[in-house]
Amino acid sequence: DTEVTQTPKHLVMGMTNKKSLKCEQHMGHRAMYWYKQKAKKPPELMFVYSYEKLSINESVPSRFSPECPNSSLLNLHLHALQPEDSALYLCASSQDDQSRETQYFGPGTRLLVL
Amino acid sequence: AQKVTQAQTEISVVEKEDVTLDCVYETRDTTYYLFWYKQPPSGELVFLIRRNSFDEQNEISGRYSWNFQKSTSSFNFTITASQVVDSAVYFCALSEAETTDSWGKLQFGAGTQVVVTP
Repeated sequence: DTEVTQTPKHLVMGMTNKKSLKCEQHMGHRAMYWYKQKAKKPPELMFVYSYEKLSINESVPSRFSPECPNSSLLNLHLHALQPEDSALYLCASSQDDQSRETQYFGPGTRLLVL
Repeated sequence: AQKVTQAQTEISVVEKEDVTLDCVYETRDTTYYLFWYKQPPSGELVFLIRRNSFDEQNEISGRYSWNFQKSTSSFNFTITASQVVDSAVYFCALSEAETTDSWGKLQFGAGTQVVVTP
């Protein structure tokens, strides 16, 4: 089973709203990732959690706040977003954060900021 | 600098034709990993294959085959007898095991859109 689930599938929010994206995996993976993907572009890495600790932050604006409550869950808290933050947000997980490991992706959350 | 180049932006074929997607990578590491992912219109990135830098064996999985050539830094992907369900964006990605700044990160190419028409 290589399933990563993400909720919600779609999200529309205003610039003053606070919302959260959720990601879950039950593969026993110890590394989890958030990516942002704009239309017709490849995914861009945002954050990496390894063993529930933030290990990589790719200089993401503070209006995006990740959280890893436990080894199976990954959240992305959104606050005061801009219209240019509209994108597909993908979560992924892998056995650990080593280069050899395959990352398995969820179906994504399509976010529209008005 | 772009480390993975997928020069083909879009390829259109008619069903049952073969299609080859090019991927050229650049790295100074001796240990690295190459991946192919498929992204259908639904959005989910589906893992297809992983190859490490020490394994140059070509691989076939059903209608899919991969040709890894270290001499030309290429990892090309062929779909034989294409079907409409193969329509998707295909990404090639590199993961370097030695370069500190990129360690553990997937570096994606720009992707190639494959359109298969009946």
